[in-house]
Amino acid sequence: GNSVTQMEGPVTLSEEAFLTINCTYTATGYPSLFWYVQYPGEGLQLLLKATKADDKGSNKGFEATYRKETTSFHLEKGSVQVSDSAVYFCALSDRLNYGQNFVFGPGTRLSVLP
Amino acid sequence: DTEVTQTPKHLVMGMTNKKSLKCEQHMGHRAMYWYKQKAKKPPELMFVYSYEKLSINESVPSRFSPECPNSSLLNLHLHALQPEDSALYLCASSQGTPYSNQPQHFGDGTRLSIL
Repeated sequence: GNSVTQMEGPVTLSEEAFLTINCTYTATGYPSLFWYVQYPGEGLQLLLKATKADDKGSNKGFEATYRKETTSFHLEKGSVQVSDSAVYFCALSDRLNYGQNFVFGPGTRLSVLP
Repeated sequence: DTEVTQTPKHLVMGMTNKKSLKCEQHMGHRAMYWYKQKAKKPPELMFVYSYEKLSINESVPSRFSPECPNSSLLNLHLHALQPEDSALYLCASSQGTPYSNQPQHFGDGTRLSIL
């Protein structure tokens, strides 16, 4: 079946450091890929998405490129802030007869220190 | 502000109680979902309701019962729950078009504690 693997962390960085969170996937067909962020006590918020190979998703300084050849969708940000501290989930969306099946990675906890 | 609203935000119940979780969206989406999320784990899909068809994850116990009164509302009825059912329950919605590659939009969840 489909699966998503990501570094689980926790990842601890100083403010203004460069961030990379690795995500790789296994899927049949051509899934869409997403990054979600979850702040403490809240639900998941869509951070960015890519629907086909070589697409780059970007939002709030975060970027990720859909790499079909390496089945990867790594999340990057050039300069993190304390407010970026959260859990980040990589996910793929697979089509099904009854709708979508979202498969999430285990999540990566990021802590940014001032 | 989230576009998917869940109530209540917190719920504490005994193992013999019956309660319901509610979810509402006003984005015109045709698919709605219930997820269960344990601490430090990713969400796990419980139910999908799409185009008037309810699909069930067969591993979900029958003490959880979904209901969809209309296309913008989704309820989760709870009965005779166990302590291991304590978790954050998340509702999500999406456009639901067949073969859709659109994102799911999540509510803030109901934190459920079973005594």
